[in-house]
Amino acid sequence: GAVVSQHPSWVICKSGTSVKIECRSLDFQATTMFWYRQFPKKSLMLMATSNEGSKATYEQGVEKDKFLINHASLTLSTLTVTSAHPEDSSFYICSARVSGTYYEQYFGPGTRLTVT
Amino acid sequence: KQEVTQIPAALSVPEGENLVLNCSFTDSAIYNLQWFRQDPGKGLTSLLLIQSSQREQTSGRLNASLDKSSGRSTLYIAASQPGDSATYLCAVPMNSNSGYALNFGKGTSLLVTP
Repeated sequence: GAVVSQHPSWVICKSGTSVKIECRSLDFQATTMFWYRQFPKKSLMLMATSNEGSKATYEQGVEKDKFLINHASLTLSTLTVTSAHPEDSSFYICSARVSGTYYEQYFGPGTRLTVT
Repeated sequence: KQEVTQIPAALSVPEGENLVLNCSFTDSAIYNLQWFRQDPGKGLTSLLLIQSSQREQTSGRLNASLDKSSGRSTLYIAASQPGDSATYLCAVPMNSNSGYALNFGKGTSLLVTP
């Protein structure tokens, strides 16, 4: 149980285009989901906290107009990278917290974004 | 702000050796601490979660300890195997403002040679 999926697993896009990444909790409800970003040989950095039915909370330095997060249901959160640039190329990982718990999180397999 | 540090950054050992990975954190008021494994280009695999009230957790050849007062945790891997080669990350929850998202260390890259 407690499986989180991400789609796509990898994507290549051209500069200036937008890319949407989906994060789904497959067998549990997740009121809260998190989006992390990981650069090569670096650790995971929290980008934003996504709460179902409300606006996402972004970490300092993360542009909310560039990284659009929508948590429309208890099992789906989406991250849209708008007007992507090569510096947005990274590994994006989501996690989901089981509704009713505070600390137990489950991670998706990640999405590799390459912007050419 | 909570800082999570992992030492060493990289480690290479021959197969069969026992090894210890270290994690330290600056704010001892943590709810739990979690160890993850990450293979190259892949997501995270949760290895062990230690609650703040616990001193250690064991799973197979892995044993994680937690000393909140000193702000330290260790991950002990017994009888290492080449399949253990990966990056190991420790993480502690952030505060409620971030919904208890995880604050990660930079990881220890482990290579176990045959």
